[in-house]
Amino acid sequence: GNSVTQMEGPVTLSEEAFLTINCTYTATGYPSLFWYVQYPGEGLQLLLKATKADDKGSNKGFEATYRKETTSFHLEKGSVQVSDSAVYFCALTHTGTASKLTFGTGTRLQVTL
Amino acid sequence: NAGVTQTPKFQVLKTGQSMTLQCAQDMNHEYMSWYRQDPGMGLRLIHYSVGAGITDQGEVPNGYNVSRSTTEDFPLRLLSAAPSQTSVYFCASSYSPGGWGNEQFFGPGTRLTVL
Repeated sequence: GNSVTQMEGPVTLSEEAFLTINCTYTATGYPSLFWYVQYPGEGLQLLLKATKADDKGSNKGFEATYRKETTSFHLEKGSVQVSDSAVYFCALTHTGTASKLTFGTGTRLQVTL
Repeated sequence: NAGVTQTPKFQVLKTGQSMTLQCAQDMNHEYMSWYRQDPGMGLRLIHYSVGAGITDQGEVPNGYNVSRSTTEDFPLRLLSAAPSQTSVYFCASSYSPGGWGNEQFFGPGTRLTVL
C-alpha cells in the first residue's frame, strides 16, 4: 500500500535559517505529491504540490521537487520566518483512489528570533 | 464563500454516548472526506464520499457512520463513543474525485474528548 515517511520533529531554527524537511514515499505507479501546512489551531492548507516526476512545486518561498528515482519530495526554504512556525505534512494521492490522501506523521517547525 | 465549516469546535462525551459531527461546504465540491488526527500518526481517512448518495470506507471506519444526502453536507456519526475515539476530526472537500493533484480544502477541525 501507499505510505509516506517524514523526518521526526520538532525542528527548531533561527529566523533566516535554511529549512529542509525530508519526505520519502512508497507507492505504485505515479502518485501526486503534496505538502500541507497546519498553523496553530487551524485546519490544513495546501502549501504546494507536484503531479509528475521532476516537477517542482513552489509557494511562499517553499519548494519541493518530485524525485521518482529516490522516491522523495523534500521541502526546502532558503530563509525561514517566525510566521512559518507550523506543522508540515507530506502527502500523496494516487489516480483512481478518489483523491484519498495518505499523510506522513507531520513535522513541527519552530522558528525563533 | 465560507469554504468548509465544521461544528462543534469542541465536544466532550461520555463513553457510550452518540453524537454527530457536522460538516458543510459551499464550493459545490463532489468529493468530501473525514479524517482523524492523532499525535504521531498524521491524518487517517475515516470515510469519504464521491457525490451525493455515495459513500465508502477509508482506513479507520470502525465506530463511525456517514451519509451524504446533499452535495453540501457530510455528517459523521459516532454511534457509541469510546475513549479510543478521542481525537481531532477534520472534514475536507475537493472539486472532483480522482485525477491529478486535486487540492483538498480542510475545515478548522472538531476536538473530541471521550471520557
